[in-house]
Amino acid sequence: GAVVSQHPSWVICKSGTSVKIECRSLDFQATTMFWYRQFPKQSLMLMATSNEGSKATYEQGVEKDKFLINHASLTLSTLTVTSAHPEDSSFYICSARDLGLAGVHNEQFFGPGTRLTVL
Amino acid sequence: QQQVKQSPQSLIVQKGGISIINCAYENTAFDYFPWYQQFPGKGPALLIAIRPDVSEKKEGRFTISFNKSAKQFSLHIMDSQPGDSATYFCAASRGGNNRLAFGKGNQVVVIP
Repeated sequence: GAVVSQHPSWVICKSGTSVKIECRSLDFQATTMFWYRQFPKQSLMLMATSNEGSKATYEQGVEKDKFLINHASLTLSTLTVTSAHPEDSSFYICSARDLGLAGVHNEQFFGPGTRLTVL
Repeated sequence: QQQVKQSPQSLIVQKGGISIINCAYENTAFDYFPWYQQFPGKGPALLIAIRPDVSEKKEGRFTISFNKSAKQFSLHIMDSQPGDSATYFCAASRGGNNRLAFGKGNQVVVIP
């Protein structure tokens, strides 16, 4: 149980285009999902917290107009990188918190990540 | 500001040996301390986690030791195997906000 999927697993796009990444909780409902980015050999940096049915909360320094987050259902959150540039190339990872795990509210389950390369 | 500091940066261990990774945190409000294992090109996977009301937790070959007064916690990997070669991240979060603060990571290499 507690599986989180991401699609696509990798994407290559041209500079200036937009890319959408999906994050799904497959066997549980997630009121909260988190989006991270990770550069090679570095740690995970939290970009935003996504709550179902409400606006995402962005971390300091993350452009909300560039990284659009939508959490339309309890099992799906999307991250859209708008007008992507080479410096946006990174590994994007989502995680989800299981609504049903009462008492274990801190546990997050991570997706497999999406490798974005902007040419 | 790094809220969770991890050491050492990298570790080479002989097969069968013990891998020990340490983390220190600043925020005394943290109440959840997980360790994640990440293989190249994959998302992190939860290995083991501890809360501050216990000093040690063991799951199979993995043990967390927690020292609340020193604001430190460590991961011990017993009988290390080549398949344990990965990057390990400690993290911490508090209360209901669930925002995880990650350490910088530690690359463990287990040589046969």
